[in-house]
Amino acid sequence: SQQGEEDPQALSIQEGENATMNCSYKTSINNLQWYRQNSGRGLVHLILIRSNEREKHSGRLRVTLDTSKKSSSLLITASRAADTASYFCATALSGGYQKVTFGTGTKLQVIP
Amino acid sequence: DAGVIQSPRHEVTEMGQEVTLRCKPISGHNSLFWYRQTMMRGLELLIYFNNNVPIDDSGMPEDRFSAKMPNASFSTLKIQPSEPRDSAVYFCASSPTSGRGREETQYFGPGTRLLVL
Repeated sequence: SQQGEEDPQALSIQEGENATMNCSYKTSINNLQWYRQNSGRGLVHLILIRSNEREKHSGRLRVTLDTSKKSSSLLITASRAADTASYFCATALSGGYQKVTFGTGTKLQVIP
Repeated sequence: DAGVIQSPRHEVTEMGQEVTLRCKPISGHNSLFWYRQTMMRGLELLIYFNNNVPIDDSGMPEDRFSAKMPNASFSTLKIQPSEPRDSAVYFCASSPTSGRGREETQYFGPGTRLLVL
């Protein structure tokens, strides 16, 4: 099964609200990445957090990582209609080459 | 930079026909990935090349699928013969190689939407 599982599967919020998405994984990781996919497009990298980091910020994005719980969260603050997309977590496993495994994704809809 | 280029963007074919998908990675990137995305199975890694050499093809579904990377600027994914269950969006992604090894961002192409009738 997928290494990463996002929760919720779908999320609908009003513009200006914050959106939180969670990702759980099963085995030890080297790093975890979040990607965004707009409808009909390829994935775009948002942020990477290493296994020895607990929190990272990039603009309106905040990512946390809890390796003891094998989980990560992505927070988008002050959401905009343009944030409407699917969001995927991707885990790079410890050891071996840089194979990343993508989760199932959270579909976010931001209503203007 | 133009980013990762994939062609064709859309492909409609009949069952049994050969399908060839093409990818041009970002110049200077040493790693190339082929993924397949469907509603049922999500995003699956099919094959990974590093410096034009296939490193992991464990995700290739069956012998009908084959991939090549004859040089650093071109890769193909071929399905022969194609079947309706191969209908999906196929993405190519590339990433640079850094000294850290396993922390490279993957840059995705726009994908090829394949429909096998």
